Amino acid sequence: DIQLTQSPSFLSASVGDRVTITCRASQGINSYLAWYQQGPGKAPKLLIYAASTLQSGVPSRFSGSGSGTEFSLTISSLQPEDFATYYCQQLDSYPYTFGQGTKLEIK
Amino acid sequence: EVQVLESGGGLVQPGGSLRLSCVGSEFTFRNYAMSWVRQAPGKGLEWVSVMSGSGGGTYYADSVKGRFTISRDNSKNTLYLQMNSLRVEDTAVYYCAKGDSLSFGLITKFDCWGQGTLVTVSS
Repeated sequence: DIQLTQSPSFLSASVGDRVTITCRASQGINSYLAWYQQGPGKAPKLLIYAASTLQSGVPSRFSGSGSGTEFSLTISSLQPEDFATYYCQQLDSYPYTFGQGTKLEIK
Repeated sequence: EVQVLESGGGLVQPGGSLRLSCVGSEFTFRNYAMSWVRQAPGKGLEWVSVMSGSGGGTYYADSVKGRFTISRDNSKNTLYLQMNSLRVEDTAVYYCAKGDSLSFGLITKFDCWGQGTLVTVSS
């Protein structure tokens, strides 16, 4: 199975900050990577797919990059509603594994 | 608005069975692969199973293989997860998620998720 490792696991930041979350795959997955946001008690919400394609309706402050084994999610200017947990998921081969999550908290 | 809605969760004893349902609306259900993803209390997301739009292809996580069965009734726009021989470690919120492809092997994203249904396995 492909393992995904996110870093950091916890991130403390302020409104207006620029933050980056990294996702590393245990083997190459081309660009078959998605990012999801999950608020407390909520369902996951798709943000980015194919490593860098913004899902319709998602604010442009979210962006993704990378290919192969190294990927990142960047939020250019944090808004209050962005404080949540973020997960990467590989869709290169089954099982479609997730990273362990990055919890973004208000500083 | 494209939506999926899960139901069927509840409290069950270890070794028991439960069937979850997921109804899709505002999209052509038979054209999309569908998946189940679960989340244990306070833990991360774990992908569980997937089925192609036609129902002809399936895949399972090793943790549920041989105990869980995914199926669908496209005439009712409904996806199912039959869970047998349940274990305490199966306790989780179970989410239904819509893929973006007919074939389960060509999914690039899960673009619509339900609110989840809680399954608790306890004596």
